[in-house]
Amino acid sequence: DTGVSQDPRHKITKRGQNVTFRCDPISEHNRLYWYRQTLGQGPEFLTYFQNEAQLEKSRLLSDRFSAERPKGSFSTLEIQRTEQGDSAMYLCASHRVGAKNIQYFGAGTRLSVL
Amino acid sequence: AQTVTQSQPEMSVQEAETVTLSCTYDTSESDYYLFWYKQPPSRQMILVIRQEAYKQQNATENRFSVNFQKAAKSFSLKISDSQLGDAAMYFCAYRRGWRSQGNLIFGKGTKLSVKP
Repeated sequence: DTGVSQDPRHKITKRGQNVTFRCDPISEHNRLYWYRQTLGQGPEFLTYFQNEAQLEKSRLLSDRFSAERPKGSFSTLEIQRTEQGDSAMYLCASHRVGAKNIQYFGAGTRLSVL
Repeated sequence: AQTVTQSQPEMSVQEAETVTLSCTYDTSESDYYLFWYKQPPSRQMILVIRQEAYKQQNATENRFSVNFQKAAKSFSLKISDSQLGDAAMYFCAYRRGWRSQGNLIFGKGTKLSVKP
């Protein structure tokens, strides 16, 4: 396993711009999760996929956020019209259903909205 | 809704000594999992230890062990023979049973410093 990969590691953008993050899970992991972590807090759940289907979205995921996982492989998280409150670390995790329910995390994408 | 509470924002331990990090949680369910994750500065979160609620035996992974008190809804992490590389943020996390969507609910974390 090469691990969960996230790109970019850092993103600086101006308020109102759109940004997109990518997550490549561990191969054959059918579940993929997105979390958001702000300074001094633990990660908070945003959404998750089982294969290509998005099965749950947190109330934290406003209409400006959209996530996809085409073909059940990599996933993208897009934020439209970014706001300063969107500044956070965005974490991706994956696991294979039945494999002890252990989620493996990527290093995250740190977003700074100026 | 389930919640996870870590009451120690920061802890410090001398190298080679033992330290215990506290975690309590609230749930009305009987089937769930508990985890401790370690997040070193600017690095990815990695699993330290995992506990299944239906198992009474406390989980152990080398120098790391837990004290799982189901009735008290307490899940503390003990690190023995602390090493400099143990310095990190430690997060306690809860996951509902295997039939659930599986997202983790995290506490706010405890920052552990290890003094040489």
